[in-house]
Amino acid sequence: SYVLTQPPSVSVAPGKTARITCGGNNIGGQSVHWYQQKPGQAPVLVIYYDSDRPSGIPERFSGSNSGNTATLTISRVEAGDEADYYCQVWDSSSDHHYVFGTGTKVTVL
Amino acid sequence: QVQMQESGPGLVKPSETLSLTCTVSGGSISRRSYHWGWIRQPPGKGLEWIGSINYSGSTYYNPSLKSRVTISVDTSKNQFSLKLTSVTAADTAVFYCARLNSDDSGDFFFDYWGQGTLVTVSS
Repeated sequence: SYVLTQPPSVSVAPGKTARITCGGNNIGGQSVHWYQQKPGQAPVLVIYYDSDRPSGIPERFSGSNSGNTATLTISRVEAGDEADYYCQVWDSSSDHHYVFGTGTKVTVL
Repeated sequence: QVQMQESGPGLVKPSETLSLTCTVSGGSISRRSYHWGWIRQPPGKGLEWIGSINYSGSTYYNPSLKSRVTISVDTSKNQFSLKLTSVTAADTAVFYCARLNSDDSGDFFFDYWGQGTLVTVSS
């Protein structure tokens, strides 16, 4: 099955930019979706189809996807952005199967 | 605004069957645009897709769980359900229900989630 690899942790100072990667074989050929999960809460969709933002998600959140790496970028990081972030793809080699990345803990210093 | 709520026992004995129901409000579960799914998260670990179902009852399961999972839909109650058989301690997790949305590509993402319910497998 398809594997998505994320760094376990990313640390960033307030006001700086955080970049969270999601690695997978030719992931650029697929659509990547991103979720934010704060402690004790359900995940929240922050980016879909590589770079689209749901309503209510700040413009500080953006996404890109090319080659073997997709990236979620959080600009002007705030304390409230501290959370776990997961990427997700549809495993197109299987019928309607979905895969989540290993998750990245973003710590705001 | 779509809201989703999981319900079911919080404690299940080993070898028994875990049963959960997700009640959807603020939208019809019968709309063709959407699928409905279950995701679990063991304590301190990542997210794992369990399976999904569409409006017509077609199901899709994680291959690693397929032999033990059944997902069904009750359109009259606007609910869908999960059954996981022969549970062990390794099945202890927070279980989430979620709506899957898509453009016409068939590539779905999870846009609405329930709050999650912790199910512990223990005697």
